[in-house]
Amino acid sequence: DAKTTQPNSMESNEEEPVHLPCNHSTISGTDYIHWYRQLPSQGPEYVIHGLTSNVNNRMASLAIAEDRKSSTLILHRATLRDAAVYYCILSNFGNEKLTFGTGTRLTIIP
Amino acid sequence: GAVVSQHPSWVICKSGTSVKIECRSLDFQATTMFWYRQFPKQSLMLMATSNEGSKATYEQGVEKDKFLINHASLTLSTLTVTSAHPEDSSFYICSARDPWDQRGEQYFGPGTRLTVT
Repeated sequence: DAKTTQPNSMESNEEEPVHLPCNHSTISGTDYIHWYRQLPSQGPEYVIHGLTSNVNNRMASLAIAEDRKSSTLILHRATLRDAAVYYCILSNFGNEKLTFGTGTRLTIIP
Repeated sequence: GAVVSQHPSWVICKSGTSVKIECRSLDFQATTMFWYRQFPKQSLMLMATSNEGSKATYEQGVEKDKFLINHASLTLSTLTVTSAHPEDSSFYICSARDPWDQRGEQYFGPGTRLTVT
């Protein structure tokens, strides 16, 4: 599986937007970009995923670079409940396996 | 969205005993489920892929005789940690995908915290 690189940690103020970057320079044409997050002592939960175009859902937005070698997860208005470890994962179409990297630990400052 | 449950949520056992952890998909059928292990302050590590009606596929370095996986039905997979040792103490998490879910989202269970004394 292609590898992703994320900052180990980030901080953001409550009620402000958060941009979480992910680099995936070896992404293949059929790799989907997935984002999951894990709150303390819980299983991960799905946030969003995309292939080429930017994506929006009720939780977040995903901005994908034109060359697809990087992407950014955008939380439009961070709350304390968004404090979690965010994982950026590449997964080839038809392959259900998810390989988790180290992720980004997001801290929200009240 | 779909729900995956695990039982128990936590368990304490003595060294040398076996522990069974259940993973259930509550409102969908899953032909494939995944088992992960997570040590404190670390990321999730995929242990094995559980296939309904057939043998599990284990990741490199995972002992298949120690971590027994059974996927007897489309809604239930079990992980049995045999002859547990303190180093097996960890957070065990399962996941599954609803094959009818167009988004391809994987649903994770809440995890089972195993402590071996």
